[in-house]
Amino acid sequence: GENVEQHPSTLSVQEGDSAVIKCTYSDSASNYFPWYKQELGKRPQLIIDIRSNVGEKKDQRIAVTLNKTAKHFSLHITETQPEDSAVYFCAASPYDKVIFGPGTSLSVIP
Amino acid sequence: SAVISQKPSRDICQRGTSLTIQCQVDSQVTMMFWYRQQPGQSLTLIATANQGSEATYESGFVIDKFPISRPNLTFSTLTVSNMSPEDSSIYLCSVEGDREYEQYFGPGTRLTVT
Repeated sequence: GENVEQHPSTLSVQEGDSAVIKCTYSDSASNYFPWYKQELGKRPQLIIDIRSNVGEKKDQRIAVTLNKTAKHFSLHITETQPEDSAVYFCAASPYDKVIFGPGTSLSVIP
Repeated sequence: SAVISQKPSRDICQRGTSLTIQCQVDSQVTMMFWYRQQPGQSLTLIATANQGSEATYESGFVIDKFPISRPNLTFSTLTVSNMSPEDSSIYLCSVEGDREYEQYFGPGTRLTVT
């Protein structure tokens, strides 16, 4: 089955700097790659996603890139703000289910 | 996106007992999913619940331990049976959104087994 790895597990950045989280997946059948943000004590929230027919997608300060050949995808957050502090999960979807990576705890230092 | 609610929001249960968690959606959805999130960990898919058919369980999860019902297109239940302290987790339901494969989560049920 699908296996998703994610790096780094923790990330600290200064406010205003950029943050990059990288993920790899194993199942070439995966064609949908969402990213979730989970604040402490809250439910995971879908923040952006990308499908296999697209190489890059941007939404304001957040961008995702996908390299299907290498089976890796990344989340880029620019101009980070303290409210970006949370755990971020990448995921891959083979067929009709979503498999999550282990998560990255992002801390934005004011 | 759909509004998803779960009951109870939290519970403390004794080992050996069972708890049924409810997931209610404000619109009809084809696919509903149940996840477990152990403390400080990622989300692990327990099963996929489609209306009118038996739930499909992931490796490591069995129907006897986690029976699921899906009586209609807006409701599902997950039962955690014969609980042990290792079942202490947050249990979340999710539903597929308007776009293929996208999922939105309910608020979760925090279960503590003593």
